Amino acid sequence: EPEVTQTPSHQVTQMGQEVILRCVPISNHLYFYWYRQILGQKVEFLVSFYNNEISEKSEIFDDQFSVERPDGSNFTLKIRSTKLEDSAMYFCASSEMREPQHFGDGTRLSIL
Amino acid sequence: AQSVTQPDIHITVSEGASLELRCNYSYGATPYLFWYVQSPGQGLQLLLKYFSGDTLVQGIKGFEAEFKRSQSSFNLRKPSVHWSDAAEYFCAGGGFTGGGNKLTFGTGTQLKVEL
Repeated sequence: EPEVTQTPSHQVTQMGQEVILRCVPISNHLYFYWYRQILGQKVEFLVSFYNNEISEKSEIFDDQFSVERPDGSNFTLKIRSTKLEDSAMYFCASSEMREPQHFGDGTRLSIL
Repeated sequence: AQSVTQPDIHITVSEGASLELRCNYSYGATPYLFWYVQSPGQGLQLLLKYFSGDTLVQGIKGFEAEFKRSQSSFNLRKPSVHWSDAAEYFCAGGGFTGGGNKLTFGTGTQLKVEL
């Protein structure tokens, strides 16, 4: 069964540094998402992406965050200047139109 | 505001016993509802979905859920729990727009299975 893959599985970064989290969605899916889960808290929506543009974003997704689909297969989340509070598990998901989202295994981001 | 509530943070059941995990939603209209399961170090795996129609939906691994509009609930059930079902379970809701389907998650229920 096709799956969403995320790399790296764990990223350790110094505060203030830029980080890029990578995702390869399922190949025929059209909708792409990022969520995050701070340790001990609920999974929170960050952003959805469709037709090469952001379709919706949450209050969390401020100017420090950006997403990109640089080619036909990758979907990236960039955090420009990381803060301690950005430490979390970040999940990528993808879906077809009006179908459930399929999630990757996540990238654990640790900010030191 | 849209919200999904899972009242039980932890539940412990004996292997072979039945299971019911509670989920309540608050939406302006009937949302699309989902149950996901997360094993340690793993991503979120879809167990089942409710879009419309039959209010009792069947999922993978022997799970089912019942949508009750009058109670704003979408509880997950399994008649006989296996030790491998120990995991965290998330209820989620959303509504499809032209740009996708933003999911709102509950806080999760951690299931422990006693042998």
